Amino acid sequence: EAGVTQFPSHSVIEKGQTVTLRCDPISGHDNLYWYRRVMGKEIKFLLHFVKESKQDESGMPNNRFLAERTGGTYSTLKVQPAELEDSGVYFCASSPLSGANVLTFGAGSRLTVL
Amino acid sequence: AQSVTQLGSHVSVSEGALVLLRCNYSSSVPPYLFWYVQYPNQGLQLLLKYTTGATLVKGINGFEAEFKKSETSFHLTKPSAHMSDAAEYFCAVSYYGNNRLAFGKGNQVVVIP
Repeated sequence: EAGVTQFPSHSVIEKGQTVTLRCDPISGHDNLYWYRRVMGKEIKFLLHFVKESKQDESGMPNNRFLAERTGGTYSTLKVQPAELEDSGVYFCASSPLSGANVLTFGAGSRLTVL
Repeated sequence: AQSVTQLGSHVSVSEGALVLLRCNYSSSVPPYLFWYVQYPNQGLQLLLKYTTGATLVKGINGFEAEFKKSETSFHLTKPSAHMSDAAEYFCAVSYYGNNRLAFGKGNQVVVIP
């Protein structure tokens, strides 16, 4: 079984540019989560999809962040325009609807904003 | 708000020695508790979890943790460290099983030969 796949693994962009991160969850996992770790800080929740619907987006830092999950399969997280403080590692995780206590995480996408 | 405290960002342990990573949480309701490990260039991997039942939980790779409600703690231990245990370890908590995890800052474990 393939795990959670994230792309790109590392992205370096200039302040003001746009970046789109992609997450492919485990096939059949209806729950999809985005988390972020800013350097030196805790991993923090961003948002939660159930299939294509946003269940909880209370962790999204501001309106420069847009997450989508069209068709309820893969998800994208777009940052536009990127700011320096957006640098960090963005993790995606998924879980099935049942047994929802265990998340499977991807390796993360490291974003560096210069 | 949920919070998780892990003291000591970097922990050094000698090969063969006890590994002890401390985790305390703040909560007024029973939490679900987790330990995750991240090896270089890999995703977060679940080591073990506590939801209900037995308070001593055994996980993968010889790790275990004990939930102590009176101390609001969930410390992770392994009797004998191995070089392959070098990684970053995260304690996390959720409530009502909703998977909105609150993480500690993590412990980077270095194993000294």
